[in-house]
Amino acid sequence: ETGVTQTPRHLVMGMTNKKSLKCEQHLGHNAMYWYKQSAKKPLELMFVYSLEERVENNSVPSRFSPECPNSSHLFLHLHTLQPEDSALYLCASSPFRYGSDEQYFGPGTRLTVT
Amino acid sequence: AQSVAQPEDQVNVAEGNPLTVKCTYSVSGNPYLFWYVQYPNRGLQFLLKYITGDNLVKGSYGFEAEFNKSQTSFHLKKPSALVSDSALYFCAVSNNAGNMLTFGGGTRLMVKP
Repeated sequence: ETGVTQTPRHLVMGMTNKKSLKCEQHLGHNAMYWYKQSAKKPLELMFVYSLEERVENNSVPSRFSPECPNSSHLFLHLHTLQPEDSALYLCASSPFRYGSDEQYFGPGTRLTVT
Repeated sequence: AQSVAQPEDQVNVAEGNPLTVKCTYSVSGNPYLFWYVQYPNRGLQFLLKYITGDNLVKGSYGFEAEFNKSQTSFHLKKPSALVSDSALYFCAVSNNAGNMLTFGGGTRLMVKP
C-alpha cells in the first residue's frame, strides 16, 4: 500500500542463528532507513542510507549489520542476537535525506529472539 | 538535542466528538513537524507535516494540526472523531539543519461508539 514491502513479516530466531530482514521500495526514493520499535521505547532510528551510502549509524550493536546494494533494496543482517532485541523492525524510505521529506514505512518485521 | 513529548499515553473520545492529541517539541533552528498514524500490525502512515507557511496544516482523513511557535506545540485535531480513527499516533520533529526525525513515544487514541 505504501510502496514499501518487508519480508518476512514474522521471524523467530535463536540467539545463535543468522538471519536477514529485507526491505524493498517501489517509490523511486533515494534514502532508506531502519527503525526499531519496542513496547517500552519510542521509535529508535538505527541506520540511514542515502544514495546507497550509510550516513547514520546510531550506536547500534555490531550484531546488526545493514546492507544497501541499490537504492531500492535494504537488508538488515542479524547474528547472535539477544532477547532484548525482540521488537518490530520497520523500514522506511523518503525522496531524499532532507528533514522536510516525509517517510514512507513498510509494515515491519516482528522479530522474536528466543 | 531535539526531542518530542506526547504527554498522554492514551486519549479517549466518543464518536462524533472533537479530538485533540497533544505534542510539544524542542529543536534548534526551524522545526519541521510531522504526524504519523499506526494501525495494528502495520507500519507508520504519514498524516501531515508543517514545514513553513500557514500555521494550520490540513492532512489526510480530515485531520489537521496547528503549529504554535511560542508554545512549541503541534497538536493534532479532528472536528468529529470516527471509531476507525482508533490507532497509535506519533508526532515527530526534524529541522532545517539536516537533523534526522525524532519521534515521540506515541499516543493511543480510542474512539468509542
